[in-house]
Amino acid sequence: DGGITQSPKYLFRKEGQNVTLSCEQNLNHDAMYWYRQDPGQGLRLIYYSQIVNDFQKGDIAEGYSVSREKKESFPLTVTSAQKNPTAFYLCASSIWESAEAFFGQGTRLTVV
Amino acid sequence: EDQVTQSPEALRLQEGESSSLNCSYTVSGLRGLFWYRQDPGKGPEFLFTLYSAGEEKEKERLKATLTKKESFLHITAPKPEDSATYLCAVSLGSGNTGKLIFGQGTTLQVKP
Repeated sequence: DGGITQSPKYLFRKEGQNVTLSCEQNLNHDAMYWYRQDPGQGLRLIYYSQIVNDFQKGDIAEGYSVSREKKESFPLTVTSAQKNPTAFYLCASSIWESAEAFFGQGTRLTVV
Repeated sequence: EDQVTQSPEALRLQEGESSSLNCSYTVSGLRGLFWYRQDPGKGPEFLFTLYSAGEEKEKERLKATLTKKESFLHITAPKPEDSATYLCAVSLGSGNTGKLIFGQGTTLQVKP
């Protein structure tokens, strides 16, 4: 089955810790994205990547970092510099930029 | 400023009571408009892509339409399983590669 897999589904972070969220796709898509979703707000773009070894900041990149070493993988690291990291994080991919994006099932991150 | 606004924020319908959800947009250059369905705690599920004014797409009880300023998602004779949050997103033209702007969503509840 083709799709996007995010792991873990739930993640708890202590203050001052960095955590990494995994995103893997087997759709052979070139473009991948990370969004953040907060209650009552629309999805906001954190980072996106159109090709391997290249990525661009979205609207809310501060406190986050990404890598794109393989076409299939686009991990997101939430660093200790992110002041309010508790949110629902969604990874997506599309066959090319501006095409419809397909989403994973999300990772809910909670700071404890 | 590029903006996507969905209305209403919430909608309650009786089973079989048809209605429409609105997505209005003010963007500098529209590449495409997308509709998604999102269930609680899950990632958005892709429904439709619309590229040009006058275009229509249908899937079961759902029909999406597009004008130069807005899109409608018409729900005909809804069932309780149609209850979800419906998200609208737009993809922008050149200079904004890879960027989707999402509306806040409309949460639909269909009562039996």
